[in-house]
Amino acid sequence: DAGITQSPRHKVTETGTPVTLRCHQTENHRYMYWYRQDPGHGLRLIHYSYGVKDTDKGEVSDGYSVSRSKTEDFLLTLESATSSQTSVYFCAIKRSQGLLYNEQFFGPGTRLTVL
Amino acid sequence: GQSLEQPSEVTAVEGAIVQINCTYQTSGFYGLSWYQQHDGGAPTFLSYNALDGLEETGRFSSFLSRSDSYGYLLLQELQMKDSASYFCAVHGSSNTGKLIFGQGTTLQVKP
Repeated sequence: DAGITQSPRHKVTETGTPVTLRCHQTENHRYMYWYRQDPGHGLRLIHYSYGVKDTDKGEVSDGYSVSRSKTEDFLLTLESATSSQTSVYFCAIKRSQGLLYNEQFFGPGTRLTVL
Repeated sequence: GQSLEQPSEVTAVEGAIVQINCTYQTSGFYGLSWYQQHDGGAPTFLSYNALDGLEETGRFSSFLSRSDSYGYLLLQELQMKDSASYFCAVHGSSNTGKLIFGQGTTLQVKP
């Protein structure tokens, strides 16, 4: 019972090529998030979704687009990959109960290298 | 701007107690979370404080003072497996769940 899976787990690509990363959840949560993690920067939000076809930008959205056609799937696309997008990408879902419990549960991550 | 400050590194010995502080300046605030991340792994949720005070979960406790824009994570009876990075994160909105993360504190536990 993984909760969230990400695919691929590792990818090497070349500058200028499009890349799509997939996040799949089995828990039927409304909110999903894409983060990138780089040394010295912690985790930074790229885009998030609050329902099917409902998405919004995060703090580092330039060069990225997302789509959510089904509750369980949230796709992140690098339209034309650049070396600055070499990073580890994490997907997350929001598990919350009332106002006093608010957890983001993270997928295993995708390590992307752009040459 | 929005910023979170936490120490970059902390070292402690097995069995000891360590406190990791986090101060924040954000445009909105609904709560403070803590996450643990081992090398090569995903962040995992430790705690969430929406109200002032101390929340205890086993060996880990988390504290929040909204008036001081300050929180901390307290780890007791340290074990070698606690060696990891610890991130504080501010919830800037009540419903979107958007998080602003600090840059993380690397905790090294020595025998």
